[in-house]
Amino acid sequence: GENVEQHPSTLSVQEGDSAVIKCTYSDSASNYFPWYKQELGKGPQLIIDIRSNVGEKKDQRIAVTLNKTAKHFSLHITETQPEDSAVYFCAAGGGADGLTFGKGTHLIIQP
Amino acid sequence: DAGITQSPRHKVTETGTPVTLRCHQTENHRYMYWYRQDPGHGLRLIHYSYGVKDTDKGEVSDGYSVSRSKTEDFLLTLESATSSQTSVYFCAISVSRGDYGYTFGSGTRLTVV
Repeated sequence: GENVEQHPSTLSVQEGDSAVIKCTYSDSASNYFPWYKQELGKGPQLIIDIRSNVGEKKDQRIAVTLNKTAKHFSLHITETQPEDSAVYFCAAGGGADGLTFGKGTHLIIQP
Repeated sequence: DAGITQSPRHKVTETGTPVTLRCHQTENHRYMYWYRQDPGHGLRLIHYSYGVKDTDKGEVSDGYSVSRSKTEDFLLTLESATSSQTSVYFCAISVSRGDYGYTFGSGTRLTVV
């Protein structure tokens, strides 16, 4: 089955700086890669996703890149703000198999 | 989240007692999932459903059972709760299995004492 590795487990950045979270996956058949943000006491929320026919996708301050050859994808957050502090999960999936989630990254924005 | 509700939000129960958690959706999505979230383990799939009365096991299904008698409701039952089942439980829904995003509920914090 699919295996998703996510790094780092904790990331601390200064407010206004950029943050990058990286994930690798094992199953070359995976073709859908969503990212979730989980705030304290809440359920994960989908913030951006990318499919295997696209190399990069942006939505305001967040972007995701995908390298199918290397089987890795990354979340980029620019101009970080206090409200970006949360746990972020990557996931990989495709077709009949469900999503496989990474173990999460705790992003801390330092004032 | 809008369209998916979990109940109860918090529960404390004693070891050996049965517990049922409920997930209710108003989106008419085919797929429903139960996950547990524990520190260091991320989200682990317990069971999922792909239709009324159609369910399958996930990676951590031991000690849990599920039922889906209506499209909108997915129940998770701990037949005899143990302390290792203390966790936060999340329900999720989706239109397809692996190539669309899941919508998660707000979670149920279960403590087994």
